[in-house]
Parts: sequence; structure tokens; C-alpha cells
Amino acid sequence: QKEVEQDPGPLSVPEGAIVSLNCTYSNSAFQYFMWYRQYSRKGPELLMYTYSSGNKEDGRFTAQVDKSSKYISLFIRDSQPSDSATYLCAMGMTGGFKTIFGAGTRLFVKA
Amino acid sequence: ETGVTQSPTHLIKTRGQQVTLRCSSQSGHNTVSWYQQALGQGPQFIFQYYREEENGRGNFPPRFSGLQFPNYSSELNVNALELDDSALYLCASSLAGEDGYTFGSGTRLTVV
Repeated sequence: QKEVEQDPGPLSVPEGAIVSLNCTYSNSAFQYFMWYRQYSRKGPELLMYTYSSGNKEDGRFTAQVDKSSKYISLFIRDSQPSDSATYLCAMGMTGGFKTIFGAGTRLFVKA
Repeated sequence: ETGVTQSPTHLIKTRGQQVTLRCSSQSGHNTVSWYQQALGQGPQFIFQYYREEENGRGNFPPRFSGLQFPNYSSELNVNALELDDSALYLCASSLAGEDGYTFGSGTRLTVV
């Protein structure tokens, strides 16, 4: 079993839809949780990060962490074609030297 | 200079050869991590360097090695290339004690 599981998709939605992206994890020692966005032929770009259970909002993006269920989510409101990318969840232990990434979910937002 | 710069952007090598990939860290960042991203997969941690020393290593064989220089730039060396080494190699810089990375655009390595 992988430490971090993420549905690779692809996920296709119409412009303006609310998108929900999810990951599950098995290591209860993980302390930080991140979402990265990766456009084709580019490196990942940090979108959101959080250290606690609950919700964190930044513009159209909301990151949600449920440590009791070992489940994290990223919601994108009013999705745009420019949001079309691969979204990677990532997590690790504070003070540790590595971050564990999910496989990434490919998202397509159709105009 | 801002951002993480990697070179070259693309590379084709023959099985058994050796390759060196280069990375310039974002200004102010003192820690460099290298990741391997196979097609359709998430990045896999190779190793991290801090103060010119290897700070941690993932499940990669010793033929994957690295260096960090006093200006925090870094190299990834891979010896005895295998076909399965074909991947996007990502360099990520960060500030020690902080958990978020700034990634470069990567080097696409193809081994034939």
C-alpha cells in the first residue's frame, strides 16, 4: 500500500464548476499537507499548505484536512480553463527531509 | 535572480552512460532536494542537500549521487544509466526549517 493514494483521473468539468480533488494517506505521523499544481512541461507550483485539521481558504481554493480519517481535499470554486493542470497532494513530517507526493490528478476544465 | 533554474531542459543518453544535471537554487534558499518524476506519477524523493552535505536519501541506489556547492547550487549525477531512469528530474529549493518547495521546470532525461 502506498503512503499516499490519489486518483489519477482524468477529471473533466465544465467552466464554472466546483472541483473536488482528494487524497488519502496511511501515516498518522504526517504533520503538514500541501497541494501543488503542475502544468504540462513545468515543475510543480505550491498552491496551499496547512498543518492542522480543518479548512484553509485562499481565493477560489479551499484545502481541507481530516486527520482522523487521514483524508485531505482541495476544492476549486468557479473553475477556469486556466485551472487545467495536474494537481498533486503532498505531505510529510515537520523537520523531516522528504515530502511524499501523490500520483497527481489530471484536471481538464472545458470552456 | 529569482526562481529555480535547471539545465539542460532535455537530454538523451545511452544505457550505461553517465549524466550530470544542474540546478541553481532560488535566491535565499539553502536547501536543495532532487526528485524523480516518471510519466504519470508523482515526484519521488531522491535526496536532499543542506550545507553541502547529504541530509537525507530516498530509495535510490548509490549510482545516484549529488553535490551542493557553497552558493547552494547543486548537481545530480547518475552512473550506469538504465532504461528505467528515463524521467523528469526535478530540483526543489527551500529554506531550512520551512516545508514548502520552489521547483524548477525539470530536466527530461531519456535513456535509449
